[in-house]
Amino acid sequence: SQQGEEDPQALSIQEGENATMNCSYKTSINNLQWYRQNSGRGLVHLILIRSNEREKHSGRLRVTLDTSKKSSSLLITASRAADTASYFCATDLDYKLSFGAGTTVTVRA
Amino acid sequence: EAEVAQSPRYKITEKSQAVAFWCDPISGHATLYWYRQILGQGPELLVQFQDESVVDDSQLPKDRFSAERLKGVDSTLKIQPAELGDSAMYLCASSLGGARAGELFFGEGSRLTVL
Repeated sequence: SQQGEEDPQALSIQEGENATMNCSYKTSINNLQWYRQNSGRGLVHLILIRSNEREKHSGRLRVTLDTSKKSSSLLITASRAADTASYFCATDLDYKLSFGAGTTVTVRA
Repeated sequence: EAEVAQSPRYKITEKSQAVAFWCDPISGHATLYWYRQILGQGPELLVQFQDESVVDDSQLPKDRFSAERLKGVDSTLKIQPAELGDSAMYLCASSLGGARAGELFFGEGSRLTVL
């Protein structure tokens, strides 16, 4: 079973626009992570946010975490064609990382 | 840059045959994970090792799947016999380990097609 659920399932944007995707989860967590997966490849870690943090930045990525609402968001600013991929949130509970179903992002040139 | 190595990259087999996947984690990583990812879904944990010990195999279909990490380094995941529903990407990942699930480093995966 998957703890996190991403929304939307798919997103299509123009190059240069921002992309926002959300993740909701069901139980308390230790931390939440975001990963990117290019088609047919393995997952790549993007960012980790701990349960006592509210916002974190890494380059063009901004992640927020609201533990009271059990939700997180990932913002990609000034998107590029190379950002086309699936994005997954993963929640850490009891030493185990559980992934959501992902958001597929397509950036049009 | 250190990487998680997996082989084979692609495997096509007929149902009822045996299949094996191999994973070599990043040197020094104590925790090793096998995930299964069905097309269009997120990865699902099959088994987690801490060194050579199984930490979690609650989602591993033990009637047909087995996993080992004998010396606490590389690992093998076996399926016998394979079924049509086993068609998926099998992902291996490793991490330093510890009290929290930190950053996972994934291999490129082994894509299995069962005919």
